[in-house]
Amino acid sequence: SAVISQKPSRDICQRGTSLTIQCQVDSQVTMMFWYRQQPGQSLTLIATANQGSEATYESGFVIDKFPISRPNLTFSTLTVSNLSPEDSSIYLCSDRPGRPDFTGYTFGSGTRLTVV
Amino acid sequence: GIQVEQSPPDLILQEGANSTLRCNFSDSVNNLQWFHQNPWGQLINLFYIPSGTKQNGRLSATTVATERYSLLYISSSQTTDSGVYFCAVVWKGNEKLTFGTGTRLTIIP
Repeated sequence: SAVISQKPSRDICQRGTSLTIQCQVDSQVTMMFWYRQQPGQSLTLIATANQGSEATYESGFVIDKFPISRPNLTFSTLTVSNLSPEDSSIYLCSDRPGRPDFTGYTFGSGTRLTVV
Repeated sequence: GIQVEQSPPDLILQEGANSTLRCNFSDSVNNLQWFHQNPWGQLINLFYIPSGTKQNGRLSATTVATERYSLLYISSSQTTDSGVYFCAVVWKGNEKLTFGTGTRLTIIP
């Protein structure tokens, strides 16, 4: 399966600032996804990162708050903008490879964000 | 959208005990995975199991797609098994993983 490197692993940010999270996959993948996990909750999909076009956002998530880039088939970034304490969460990226030996979606190691 | 419910929500066991975690889903799925989230937040893929039965050491999983449920079995529990277990499915017709509500497992020495 693919290996996804995600950074930073954790950060503490001041309210009103932004944090950009990066994910690098060790092989080309057809789709990449960004998730948020609020404290004590399950994972919720934020958006699908599309190569060469705008991301597709889920209901309740908007581009101004969560801008996403995907310049190529192995890399994506998520920015969480204008931070507030409610943004304190774990953020994870995932891939959906197009390999014929598909064995499931792989996740990055996560970014634990605390907003103070 | 598809609903994914897991039970029990919390489970506390003595080391060495066995456990069964359940995942029910409300519609047909193309993909089902079981994950373990450790205390550091890392999500570890345990099984890719859209149907049938698989085993990996002390862990095994069974998915009965026609009846829309999956089971994860953990035998001879160890303290390192503690954490949250999620099942996640891909609804037929799309490519997105939908996560279940999770089961928090605590293994006491």
